[in-house]
Amino acid sequence: DIQMTQSPSSLSASVGDRVTITCRASQNISSFLNWYQQKPGKAPKLLMYAASSLQSGVPSRFSDSGSGTDFTLTISCLQPEDFATYYCQQSYNTPWGFGQGTKVEIK
Amino acid sequence: EVQLVESGGGLVQPGGSLRLSCAASGFTFSSYEMNWVRQAPGKGLEWLSYISNSGSSIYYADSVKGRFSISRDNAKNSLYLQMNSLRVEDTAVYYCARGRRGAGGYYFDYWGQGTLVTVSS
Repeated sequence: DIQMTQSPSSLSASVGDRVTITCRASQNISSFLNWYQQKPGKAPKLLMYAASSLQSGVPSRFSDSGSGTDFTLTISCLQPEDFATYYCQQSYNTPWGFGQGTKVEIK
Repeated sequence: EVQLVESGGGLVQPGGSLRLSCAASGFTFSSYEMNWVRQAPGKGLEWLSYISNSGSSIYYADSVKGRFSISRDNAKNSLYLQMNSLRVEDTAVYYCARGRRGAGGYYFDYWGQGTLVTVSS
C-alpha cells in the first residue's frame, strides 16, 4: 500500500499568514493527489484534485504543487475560516490512502 | 443540491452486525461511483470501500475485507454498508462519499454528514 505522510502534524498561524503543508508519498504517484479540509464535527470538503485543480467554489488563495512523491498545499493569505485540519489523499491506486492530517490552529 | 444522508449507526457489541445506509439526492445516483470512508475518534480518514455506478465492480480495504459488504440500490438512490463481525477498532464516524474519476485520478467530491458506529460491550 502507498503510505502518505504529512508535515507538520499541526501548526499555529495568524490571519494573513502564508501557510504551507507538505505531503509525501511512499512511491511515485504522478499527479494523483487530492486535498481535503475538515472542520471539527463536520465532513471533509474537497479542496483540490489531480494536484492542480481547484474544486468549484474554493477560494483562489488555495493552491498546490508537486508531482511524483512530494506535494505541497499553500494557503496564500490565511483567513479565519481556514482554521481546520487538512488531509492529502492519493488516488494512484487502491487502497486510496490519506495522510494523517495537518491541523492549522490560530496563533 | 447534492445531498448524502447516512443513517443506521449506533451502539453494537463486539462480534455484532450493523447495516448503514446512505440516501442520495440532487444528482443522478445511478451515474456515479460511491464510497465509504471512516474516521475513528480523534483520528484521520480511512477509505473502506468502493462500488461502481452499476454495482458490478467493488473494492475493499484490507481492514474490512471479508467482514464488510458494500451494495447499492439505484432505484432507491441508496448506498449500503453491511458490517459483520464488528470489532472495537471499528468504532468511528462512517461517511458515504461520491467518487469522481478523471484524467487526474479519483477523488471524493461530496460527503455525507456521517453516522457514528460505536462497538463496545
